[in-house]
Amino acid sequence: DQQVKQNSPSLSVQEGRISILNCDYTNSMFDYFLWYKKYPAEGPTFLISISSIKDKNEDGRFTVFLNKSAKHLSLHIVPSQPGDSAVYFCAASWAGTYKYIFGTGTRLKVLA
Amino acid sequence: KAGVTQTPRYLIKTRGQQVTLSCSPISGHRSVSWYQQTPGQGLQFLFEYFSETQRNKGNFPGRFSGRQFSNSRSEMNVSTLELGDSALYLCASSLVGRGTDTQYFGPGTRLTVL
Repeated sequence: DQQVKQNSPSLSVQEGRISILNCDYTNSMFDYFLWYKKYPAEGPTFLISISSIKDKNEDGRFTVFLNKSAKHLSLHIVPSQPGDSAVYFCAASWAGTYKYIFGTGTRLKVLA
Repeated sequence: KAGVTQTPRYLIKTRGQQVTLSCSPISGHRSVSWYQQTPGQGLQFLFEYFSETQRNKGNFPGRFSGRQFSNSRSEMNVSTLELGDSALYLCASSLVGRGTDTQYFGPGTRLTVL
């Protein structure tokens, strides 16, 4: 049972445009969500997180939106840069646990 | 501050052998988690340790085990290796491992089973 789903395995975007990566979850207990970026042969790098008490969190070019009623979160990257090309994972957790549940990842390609 | 380190980075083993992977967390982090990454499966949670105690375990067979030492360093062991164990094994550390703690990952150990 995949509790965290990233239904788009890949996405291509032109440099300078907006990249939108989506993530859906099924477990209502999740109250903390994160996005990680992963380059080949490296471990995932933390990008941005959001608590369920918020619906938006911003950090530079990265913004995460949370829609709890739809059990959906998205990561917006504006403007997209070629260096953003990587695999992006969303992850979810809740305060009473000691683990993250990860999605299967979306490979973003930013075209110069 | 140094990041999470994992050794070795690459490992080639044959079926039936066993392997031990090592992880050193960020200084001051007391929780260490292990994940397995395979193509198309994302990151699958293996187990989490805090103060030398395993607090949570994922859905993996008993061939997968781990431990944590008093300095928070952790090892994971896979016995009787199978071809399907070929994967990237990632270690992550966080302050105390609560669900709302941010986990920071090491570069991973790429295990190939022949």
